[in-house]
Amino acid sequence: AQSVAQPEDQVNVAEGNPLTVKCTYSVSGNPYLFWYVQYPNRGLQFLLKYITGDNLVKGSYGFEAEFNKSQTSFHLKKPSALVSDSALYFCAVRDMLGVSGGYNKLIFGAGTRLAVHP
Amino acid sequence: GAGVSQSPRYKVAKRGQDVALRCDPISGHVSLFWYQQALGQGPEFLTYFQNEAQLDKSGLPSDRFFAERPEGSVSTLKIQRTQQEDSAVYLCASSRTGQSSYEQYFGPGTRLTVT
Repeated sequence: AQSVAQPEDQVNVAEGNPLTVKCTYSVSGNPYLFWYVQYPNRGLQFLLKYITGDNLVKGSYGFEAEFNKSQTSFHLKKPSALVSDSALYFCAVRDMLGVSGGYNKLIFGAGTRLAVHP
Repeated sequence: GAGVSQSPRYKVAKRGQDVALRCDPISGHVSLFWYQQALGQGPEFLTYFQNEAQLDKSGLPSDRFFAERPEGSVSTLKIQRTQQEDSAVYLCASSRTGQSSYEQYFGPGTRLTVT
């Protein structure tokens, strides 16, 4: 079965320290992977994606993610956290059933709440 | 440019009432998706439109849920005879094309509370 796992409900980081938000996936075929961020009372905002190519993907607001095929992981990282990064982060993978129909249907993880403390 | 907009932002319905949720996608976006996000969970796919054609409605939880996009732009998600388990945030997303490599742009959602 296709799935995305975010093993941590919450990640706490001190401002200025590096952060990592973990994501593992299970799909058949080549995965297309996405990270979204959700601020309170707002929709999901696209951060970055991995389609093909370099395993290290750079995205918005200084975030990056590393695709690791052998570990089926796509962890989100940032070298120096800001208090304003505090939000809910979602990892998603394309649903191969949607791909067969020619469109990009996403399967989301349950989300990880990032709390950055001053 | 303008992003995806949804209305109303909040809706309270009594059990058994019908509701209609509106989505205005980004202009020119071919693909439109509806997702349901329960409290503390990630979004779950409901249905997909390519222009006016509804190509996938496999995620609709029951026949009380109905979606349309008659002119290939604005979409409406209708829920008939609402039940408490329908309480959730309903998210609309649009994408420039349906191709897998394109990201989806999400609206702010409609929070539905069924009492």
